[in-house]
Amino acid sequence: AQSVTQLGSHVSVSEGALVLLRCNYSSSVPPYLFWYVQYPNQGLQLLLKYTSAATLVKGINGFEAEFKKSETSFHLTKPSAHMSDAAEYFCAVTRAGNNRKLIWGLGTSLAVNP
Amino acid sequence: DGGITQSPKYLFRKEGQNVTLSCEQNLNHDAMYWYRQDPGQGLRLIYYSQIVNDFQKGDIAEGYSVSREKKESFPLTVTSAQKNPTAFYLCASMGSSYEQYFGPGTRLTVT
Repeated sequence: AQSVTQLGSHVSVSEGALVLLRCNYSSSVPPYLFWYVQYPNQGLQLLLKYTSAATLVKGINGFEAEFKKSETSFHLTKPSAHMSDAAEYFCAVTRAGNNRKLIWGLGTSLAVNP
Repeated sequence: DGGITQSPKYLFRKEGQNVTLSCEQNLNHDAMYWYRQDPGQGLRLIYYSQIVNDFQKGDIAEGYSVSREKKESFPLTVTSAQKNPTAFYLCASMGSSYEQYFGPGTRLTVT
């Protein structure tokens, strides 16, 4: 069975500092991996996705993530945090087939301090 | 613009009443989903539909019902049997690379 673990339910960084949000997955077959962002009282927005092409994936708003099969990780990074990055971030995994269901992490709340 | 619409944004109901949440998409996607979101619990799958006239229970289907009569529409009914219906409800559809696209959500409050 597939699963997703997001390490750290709350992460706090200073404006301008590196953002690192951790996601580890388990999957017996090549996964499809996703990062989403959610602002308060809004739906989720796709930040980026890994679908077995390049292992370094660039997304919107300056975010990127690297697929590391040996570490079963897909951590999200951004070189310099902005105040507008404060939000909830979700990692998700699926595989081809899988009844078209995504398996979701519990989310990480990112706070950006001035 | 293509996307998913959910209405209304906020919904208030009295306990014991059924309520239907609307979800419409114009992305031409076959698969659609309903999630419930509670603080600290992430997204929990209520129902999903892979094709018109077919749907499957998710992890927390008790007290909910759905229909899928049209490709564009996937309404969710929260019945009086749902013990704790107050929550944020999200509708989504799935694209060709298994990515999901979400609507803006409906916040339901039952008192």
